[in-house]
Amino acid sequence: KNEVEQSPQNLTAQEGEFITINCSYSVGISALHWLQQHPGGGIVSLFMLSSGKKKHGRLIATINIQEKHSSLHITASHPRDSAVYICAVRQDSNYQLIWGAGTKLIIKP
Amino acid sequence: DADVTQTPRNRITKTGKRIMLECSQTKGHDRMYWYRQDPGLGLRLIYYSFDVKDINKGEISDGYSVSRQAQAKFSLSLESAIPNQTALYFCATGQGYEQYFGPGTRLTVT
Repeated sequence: KNEVEQSPQNLTAQEGEFITINCSYSVGISALHWLQQHPGGGIVSLFMLSSGKKKHGRLIATINIQEKHSSLHITASHPRDSAVYICAVRQDSNYQLIWGAGTKLIIKP
Repeated sequence: DADVTQTPRNRITKTGKRIMLECSQTKGHDRMYWYRQDPGLGLRLIYYSFDVKDINKGEISDGYSVSRQAQAKFSLSLESAIPNQTALYFCATGQGYEQYFGPGTRLTVT
């Protein structure tokens, strides 16, 4: 079993829909990252969380440390949000990241 | 200019050839990383370096070597490329808990 699991693997939605992507992990962590990988391949960091909730524009990330679960939400989704969204966790003991396999999101106009 | 650059961006090579992927950064970070990405899998760490004299193997270092020529430069070599090394390769730098990624190098080994 992977230490970081994302769901769903693929998600197709219509423009304007509210999107939720989930990440569950099985190790003790010091932080959790959400990143976006554009169709061209570049990876951009969206959020780093160690507790609670963060918001940036239409993106919201939450984490529940007790349940070892995080969600990334996109409100009023737009075709330009189409990308792969990746969850990665930083273990308590080191600076290395454990990566989820990613969720491929397609937003149709 | 991008903070983390990778060259080449795309490369096709033949089995058995030696190939080097280069990474440069202008962020002044001590930590640098090489990852590979395969379809359907999360990024996997190949090597990482905490400074010029500190090189560490990641989870999939076999078949790869690295050189940290300076704080700003970290190169990845495939000594004798094989087809299952076909992948997208990312360099990243790190400071604190953040990592910053290069644009990736798409390598195809035929």
